[in-house]
Amino acid sequence: AQTVTQSQPEMSVQEAETVTLSCTYDTSENNYYLFWYKQPPSRQMILVIRQEAYKQQNATENRFSVNFQKAAKSFSLKISDSQLGDTAMYFCAFTETGNQFYFGTGTSLTVIP
Amino acid sequence: DADVTQTPRNRITKTGKRIMLECSQTKGHDRMYWYRQDPGLGLRLIYYSFDVKDINKGEISDGYSVSRQAQAKFSLSLESAIPNQTALYFCATSDPSGAQYFGPGTRLLVL
Repeated sequence: AQTVTQSQPEMSVQEAETVTLSCTYDTSENNYYLFWYKQPPSRQMILVIRQEAYKQQNATENRFSVNFQKAAKSFSLKISDSQLGDTAMYFCAFTETGNQFYFGTGTSLTVIP
Repeated sequence: DADVTQTPRNRITKTGKRIMLECSQTKGHDRMYWYRQDPGLGLRLIYYSFDVKDINKGEISDGYSVSRQAQAKFSLSLESAIPNQTALYFCATSDPSGAQYFGPGTRLLVL
């Protein structure tokens, strides 16, 4: 069965510093998609960044970047220059075909002023 | 206006009652999904649909049913609500790249 594991239930970072959130997944497929979603206190789920497994280049969206290690089945999210508005739950997600999606249990990130 | 809307936003009901949660989207996506979110468990897929004639069970479909009335509308029903269905429910659509776009969520409390 496909699984997504986020081993850090809670993390904190000082404002303007860099933080990395970890995610590992399990699949026997060669092609798939990975995502990070942000859920602020408003509870809205917001897409942060996506990565196609066939692309070796790590995805980047402004202050957000990923470290995709396909052989290790690892997909970590790096947030640079952390801002107070980055305080949220972050979920890693995975899909092989776009049919079913699998989410991790989330990491609660607090940015400290 | 929001691309994916859900009604109601909050609902309190009693055990045994039938309730329906509704979802509408203006993104023009064929694929729609219903999830529930429980503390510490992340999001779990209930049902998904690729068009009005294609409905598929997800990870936790027992106790739920869905209806895809049109490309833009996908509703979730609890035929006989029970307390362990208390959760936050999300509707989502997905684009061809697989990225999902979520509604604002419906908080359901079953007493």
